[in-house]
Amino acid sequence: DAKTTQPTSMDCAEGRAANLPCNHSTISGNEYVYWYRQIHSQGPQYIIHGLKNNETNEMASLIITEDRKSSTLILPHATLRDTAVYYCIAKRINTGTASKLTFGTGTRLQVTL
Amino acid sequence: DAGITQSPRHKVTETGTPVTLRCHQTENHRYMYWYRQDPGHGLRLIHYSYGVKDTDKGEVSDGYSVSRSKTEDFLLTLESATSSQTSVYFCAISEYGTSSNQPQHFGDGTRLSIL
Repeated sequence: DAKTTQPTSMDCAEGRAANLPCNHSTISGNEYVYWYRQIHSQGPQYIIHGLKNNETNEMASLIITEDRKSSTLILPHATLRDTAVYYCIAKRINTGTASKLTFGTGTRLQVTL
Repeated sequence: DAGITQSPRHKVTETGTPVTLRCHQTENHRYMYWYRQDPGHGLRLIHYSYGVKDTDKGEVSDGYSVSRSKTEDFLLTLESATSSQTSVYFCAISEYGTSSNQPQHFGDGTRLSIL
C-alpha cells in the first residue's frame, strides 16, 4: 500500500471547517483512500473513503485531487468532540492477501473555543 | 456504531500466565481481525479470520493464537504472556475481505498490562 504523509498536528477553532491534508503521491490505481480518527482511549472510528471522486457523508467530505496524489478531509463545522488523531490510509483491494490497515502517525487535530 | 464488544476492557496479569481476549460482534460480518497498538508502531495486524474456523496470520502473530467457533466471536489467546505483549488490543470487523473497498470497523479495545 502507498505511504501517506500527514502534518503532525493542526488547530481549528470550533465552528470553523477543519481541512486535513494527506499526501499519497505513489498511490496506485486500485488503492482507495480511507480516513479514520481515534479519540483518546477509544478504537479507530471510520470516517469516509474514496477512490477518485469526491465523497461526502454525514461526518465529512473527502476531496481527492485529479491526479490522486493527495486528498483533503473536510469537517465542515468542527466541534470540541472532533479533537482526535486523524489517519489517512491508502489501501489496495484485490490483493489476495490479508486486508490489513496500515496506520501511520496521523494528524493530531485540536479544536479550540 | 458497529456492534463490536471487546472483553475485558482492562486486564493486568503476570508473565507466564495464559490470557484470552474476546471480540463479539452483532453485525454477522464474515471477517474479523485482531490488531495491537503500541507507541511508535501504529496498529499492527496479529491474526484475522475469514469465516468460522478459518483464520490466518498477520504481521505480528508470534506468541498469539486465535479461534473462531462462531461467526460472532473471535478469541485471541496469549498462551504464556510476556511483558512485550503489554499493549492495547483492538478487534475489527468487515463484511468483505480484500476484494471489496468496504471499511473495517473497530471495537474500543482491551488494555492489557503484563507485569
